[in-house]
Amino acid sequence: ETGVTQTPRHLVMGMTNKKSLKCEQHLGHNAMYWYKQSAKKPLELMFVYSLEERVENNSVPSRFSPECPNSSHLFLHLHTLQPEDSALYLCASSPQTGDYEQYFGPGTRLTVT
Amino acid sequence: GESVGLHLPTLSVQEGDNSIINCAYSNSASDYFIWYKQESGKGPQFIIDIRSNMDKRQGQRVTVLLNKTVKHLSLQIAATQPGDSAVYFCAESHFGNEKLTFGTGTRLTIIP
Repeated sequence: ETGVTQTPRHLVMGMTNKKSLKCEQHLGHNAMYWYKQSAKKPLELMFVYSLEERVENNSVPSRFSPECPNSSHLFLHLHTLQPEDSALYLCASSPQTGDYEQYFGPGTRLTVT
Repeated sequence: GESVGLHLPTLSVQEGDNSIINCAYSNSASDYFIWYKQESGKGPQFIIDIRSNMDKRQGQRVTVLLNKTVKHLSLQIAATQPGDSAVYFCAESHFGNEKLTFGTGTRLTIIP
C-alpha cells in the first residue's frame, strides 16, 4: 500500500450506533488531519495531529472523537451522530504541520440514517 | 471572516481547448495559494501552488496566475484532456496560520 489509505470506503450507520473510521499513511509524515467534505461546501478541517499529539480541534462536536496511536495511524470514533453528519470524511497527511501540500486519502462516505 | 470562492460551480470545455478556472479570495494577508484536483471517488490531489511574491507559476500543462490587486487567482490547463475531468479547489493561507481555507470547488467537464 502506498500513500494514504482509509477504511471503510462506505459506511451507513444509525444515530445510536458507534463506529470508527481508520486512516493509515505510508509516507513517513508527522502530521495527520481529518476533514469533512459536504456537498456544495468547502472542506472543513476537523482535527490536526502532530507526532500523535492533537494540535488543532476546530470546534468539532464531541460525538466525533479522534485518536492517533502513532504517526502512521489516525482514527475517528463516531457515536450518536446526526443525519447532518452525513458527508465524505477525508484523512490527509503532510511532512509537518504547516506544510500545505497535504496528501489525501480517498475518503469514507458516511451516511447517518 | 476569510473566504475563498470559485466563480463558477461548473465548467464545460471541449477536449483540446484550454481551461481557465477562477478563484477569488477576501483576505489581504493571504500569501500562499494552492490548487487541488479531486477526481470522482478520490481524495484531493495537489496540482500547483504559488506564493504572493510571484504573479505566475507554471507546471506541466498548468499555469497559476495571481492578481493580488483584485485578490484573484486562476488555474489554466492547456490542451484539456478527458483525464482532467474533476472538481478543482483553490485554497489559501497566510503567514502564521497553519491551516488552509478552501473554496467550494469548480467541476470541470471535458466534452469529447
